[in-house]
Amino acid sequence: GAGVSQTPSNKVTEKGKYVELRCDPISGHTALYWYRQSLGQGPEFLIYFQGTGAADDSGLPNDRFFAVRPEGSVSTLKIQRTERGDSAVYLCASSLSTGLAYTQYFGPGTRLTVL
Amino acid sequence: AQSVTQLGSHVSVSEGALVLLRCNYSSSVPPYLFWYVQYPNQGLQLLLKYTTGATLVKGINGFEAEFKKSETSFHLTKPSAHMSDAAEYFCAGGGADGLTFGKGTHLIIQP
Repeated sequence: GAGVSQTPSNKVTEKGKYVELRCDPISGHTALYWYRQSLGQGPEFLIYFQGTGAADDSGLPNDRFFAVRPEGSVSTLKIQRTERGDSAVYLCASSLSTGLAYTQYFGPGTRLTVL
Repeated sequence: AQSVTQLGSHVSVSEGALVLLRCNYSSSVPPYLFWYVQYPNQGLQLLLKYTTGATLVKGINGFEAEFKKSETSFHLTKPSAHMSDAAEYFCAGGGADGLTFGKGTHLIIQP
């Protein structure tokens, strides 16, 4: 079956621009997570959704970052006024529900480069 | 604060040798622990997880890990390394609100 997909796979933008990163979770998965992986580091939690609502956005670094999941399926991570420090791989994961019994399945990521 | 520490950013072993990747977690991390593997240009794949029950956990591809509460450790092992095991390995812990990952260990397999 189809796994988690993310588009685009690569995004190059200029400092100050706005970008949107898309995540398509596994069908039927109600929980969706966003992580950011900087070079040489492990993934860092950003935000997670249970259904349409953001259950925990404590990992978002500042108010330039925002994510939505309007219909409880596809999610979009939005970054305003991008900075060079935003360059990283952005990972999305989904699971059947929240809770540790449910494995998080990761997508291949979107590599964002801010010039 | 929750933290997961992986000892050794790079580990090199010979093909056929024992693989040991070390992971320690802070006591503030809920005792739910995971190992993920990341191959180049691919997403993270779950190798194994510990939630409750037996402390020795077996995963895919011949890997296993043992949860040791007294040592706050969750080291990953494989008896005999294969060239296809070369990848980045991440230990993670946490709760329902997202995982806390270590920085990763790059496993190199020498022929």
